[in-house]
Amino acid sequence: DQQVKQNSPSLSVQEGRISILNCDYTNSMFDYFLWYKKYPAEGPTFLISISSIKDKNEDGRFTVFLNKSAKHLSLHIVPSQPGDSAVYFCAAITSGTYKYIFGTGTRLKVLA
Amino acid sequence: GAGVSQSPSNKVTEKGKDVELRCDPISGHTALYWYRQSLGQGLEFLIYFQGNSAPDKSGLPSDRFSAERTGGSVSTLTIQRTQQEDSAVYLCASSLGFRGGDQPQHFGDGTRLSIL
Repeated sequence: DQQVKQNSPSLSVQEGRISILNCDYTNSMFDYFLWYKKYPAEGPTFLISISSIKDKNEDGRFTVFLNKSAKHLSLHIVPSQPGDSAVYFCAAITSGTYKYIFGTGTRLKVLA
Repeated sequence: GAGVSQSPSNKVTEKGKDVELRCDPISGHTALYWYRQSLGQGLEFLIYFQGNSAPDKSGLPSDRFSAERTGGSVSTLTIQRTQQEDSAVYLCASSLGFRGGDQPQHFGDGTRLSIL
């Protein structure tokens, strides 16, 4: 049973436009959500997180939106740059526990 | 070093051999995690350490897998009698603690394990 799902395996976006990466979850006990970026042959790098008490968190070009009623979160990157081309993983955790649950990732390609 | 270090970066071995993968976490990080990423899959949780203790080993795929951590620092993941399905990238991560998004994980670059 996959508790965190990224249903789009890949996404292509023109440079300068907005990239929207989506993530759905099933476990209502999750109260922290994170996005990681992964380049080939490197480990994932933490990008941004959001607590379930918020519905939006922004850091520069990256904004994460959380819709608890829909059990859905999204990562917006604007403007998209070629260097953003990578695999993006969303992850979720319940505070007080240790187990992060990761999605299967979405490969973003930003076209110059 | 400043980040999480894993060695070796690549390992090719014959089926049936034992392998040992090493992880050096960021200094001062009490939490350490091992994950496995098979081709086209997400990150599969294997085990975590709180200090030197591994409270939950249920993520390990079989009893051929074991892990230990000494001195609250270096961890090794050992796979005995390797099988072809063990081929994957093994990732280690560390964090200051377990406060979720406040203390995100920092990942190493992984060990790519190939079983012939």
